[in-house]
Amino acid sequence: EAQVTQNPRYLITVTGKKLTVTCSQNMNHEYMSWYRQDPGLGLRQIYYSMNVEVTDKGDVPEGYKVSRKEKRNFPLILESPSPNQTSLYFCASSNIPRGPSPLHFGNGTRLTVT
Amino acid sequence: QKEVEQNSGPLSVPEGAIASLNCTYSDRGSQSFFWYRQYSGKSPELIMSIYSNGDKEDGRFTAQLNKASQYVSLLIRDSQPSDSATYLCAVPHSGTYKYIFGTGTRLKVLA
Repeated sequence: EAQVTQNPRYLITVTGKKLTVTCSQNMNHEYMSWYRQDPGLGLRQIYYSMNVEVTDKGDVPEGYKVSRKEKRNFPLILESPSPNQTSLYFCASSNIPRGPSPLHFGNGTRLTVT
Repeated sequence: QKEVEQNSGPLSVPEGAIASLNCTYSDRGSQSFFWYRQYSGKSPELIMSIYSNGDKEDGRFTAQLNKASQYVSLLIRDSQPSDSATYLCAVPHSGTYKYIFGTGTRLKVLA
């Protein structure tokens, strides 16, 4: 089954404790992206990647890191999480730029930083 | 002007009615347009894609695109309470391929 898999689904952590949210897709997509969603603010892009070793900042990259060492994986790293990073996070992938293609979303990770 | 604009709603319609959701975009070079449905706390789910001017129908859903007016809409016929959700319009930027999302329209279908 074609899918984007994020882990974990729920995560509660404390300020300053490094964490990684994993994302993997099995559709051979070149484009991958991370979003956060907060009430009233909609989906905001954190980082995106057009291909292996190619990453770019989105609208809200501060406090986040990403890497794209393999085509299928695009982990999101919070080196020193803070309470303002409490949010619902989505990973997504797409076949763009090979042609018009929608984003396929993972199931989301709800992060709470205390 | 926001790059992709939607009325936040809520849009309330009675069961069985047609719900009409609208989206305007600013990038004249955009070539593809997507509608997603999102239930609270869940991930966005693709319901319609449209790439050329005119109408595209899929079951109870019709997407309408007018590139000259930079306008895309979603019609939901015979609305059901299960259609109650937030509907997101997404437009990939023509130069960067960055997907720009509207803030979504919350739809309430009243039984």
